Amino acid sequence: DAGVIQSPRHEVTEMGQEVTLRCKPISGHNSLFWYRQTMMRGLELLIYFNNNVPIDDSGMPEDRFSAKMPNASFSTLKIQPSEPRDSAVYFCASRVDLNTGELFFGEGSRLTVL
Amino acid sequence: AQSVTQPDIHITVSEGASLELRCNYSYGATPYLFWYVQSPGQGLQLLLKYFSGDTLVQGIKGFEAEFKRSQSSFNLRKPSVHWSDAAEYFCAVGNNDMRFGAGTRLTVKP
Repeated sequence: DAGVIQSPRHEVTEMGQEVTLRCKPISGHNSLFWYRQTMMRGLELLIYFNNNVPIDDSGMPEDRFSAKMPNASFSTLKIQPSEPRDSAVYFCASRVDLNTGELFFGEGSRLTVL
Repeated sequence: AQSVTQPDIHITVSEGASLELRCNYSYGATPYLFWYVQSPGQGLQLLLKYFSGDTLVQGIKGFEAEFKRSQSSFNLRKPSVHWSDAAEYFCAVGNNDMRFGAGTRLTVKP
């Protein structure tokens, strides 16, 4: 079975540009999570969805960040406009249900904002 | 507010020595508990998990962890470390939302 698939794996962009990160969860998983990993702050939970509905977005750092899940097999995390401090590895993870099982992680999208 | 504390940022052990990585949490009820491992440039892989029942849980790669409710701890152990165990280890806690500790980087000396 395919795991969680994220794209792009690496993104280098200039400050002010729009960045879109994509995630395909494991088929049959109803919950999807977005995390950001930096040396300074570790793994931060940004937002999570259940059955395509955002449940908690309190971890989204600013209004520049937005996430959508238009269907059960696709989610996006968008940063507009991007800033150098957004440079991080962004992980998507999925889970069978909100209270069931462990998280399965993608390999991450490494974002560098110049 | 819930929190996860991994007090050791970096641990160095000799190959073949035993290992214990500490994890303490603060949570309203007994949460689900997990240990994940991350190799450089990779995503996180589940080592083991605790949902209920026996408080000593076995995981992959010879790891085990013990849930101690009275201490709000879920420490990870391995009796004999291998060089390939060098990685970053994360404790995670939660039911609906999963929160991660800051991680412990393990270095293995030959």
